[in-house]
Amino acid sequence: QKEVEQNSGPLSVPEGAIASLNCTYSDRGSQSFFWYRQYSGKSPELIMFIYSNGDKEDGRFTAQLNKASQYVSLLIRDSQPSDSATYLCAVNNEDSSYKLIFGSGTRLLVRP
Amino acid sequence: GAGVSQSPSNKVTEKGKDVELRCDPISGHTALYWYRQRLGQGLEFLIYFQGNSAPDKSGLPSDRFSAERTGESVSTLTIQRTQQEDSAVYLCASSLAGIYEQYFGPGTRLTVT
Repeated sequence: QKEVEQNSGPLSVPEGAIASLNCTYSDRGSQSFFWYRQYSGKSPELIMFIYSNGDKEDGRFTAQLNKASQYVSLLIRDSQPSDSATYLCAVNNEDSSYKLIFGSGTRLLVRP
Repeated sequence: GAGVSQSPSNKVTEKGKDVELRCDPISGHTALYWYRQRLGQGLEFLIYFQGNSAPDKSGLPSDRFSAERTGESVSTLTIQRTQQEDSAVYLCASSLAGIYEQYFGPGTRLTVT
């Protein structure tokens, strides 16, 4: 059973701080990694994707990938209360590369 | 441009009834996916369509579930003889062929009473 693991949280950080969200995955052959943000009662919104080892930055968001450790993370700098949401990590399936395996998500709370 | 659209947004049905959920993908997106999300859980893959290729139905939980897609346009997910455990949000996503970034519609919240 291929799995994606995330701490359910909540992860609570003060406004302006860096929020660090982590994800591990079991499928060593996975090549594509995604972070989705999901507000309560809404559908997932794609915010970052990363395909190569290292860091990828987009505005306040940085995705970090370490394939050797099977670990992907999302950093949110200068966290805002509007960042409060559940963050879903998704990893593609090696055998069927279009198929994404989702973690259960980490709930982030940014305190004003 | 327009995103993925789904209808209805909410559906309440009695146990044993059939329901049909609709998804309209982003224009130009040849790949279409259906997922199910139970309360407080991650997304569960159901089915994948890519152009005129045979769909990947490996995620459908039982033979009560089926899905169709006409060409590269609208898809419908049908659940026959609904059960209470079918209550969930059903999400549709689409992507360009060969590109794995999937964009989700607003979902259909299904409640089976």
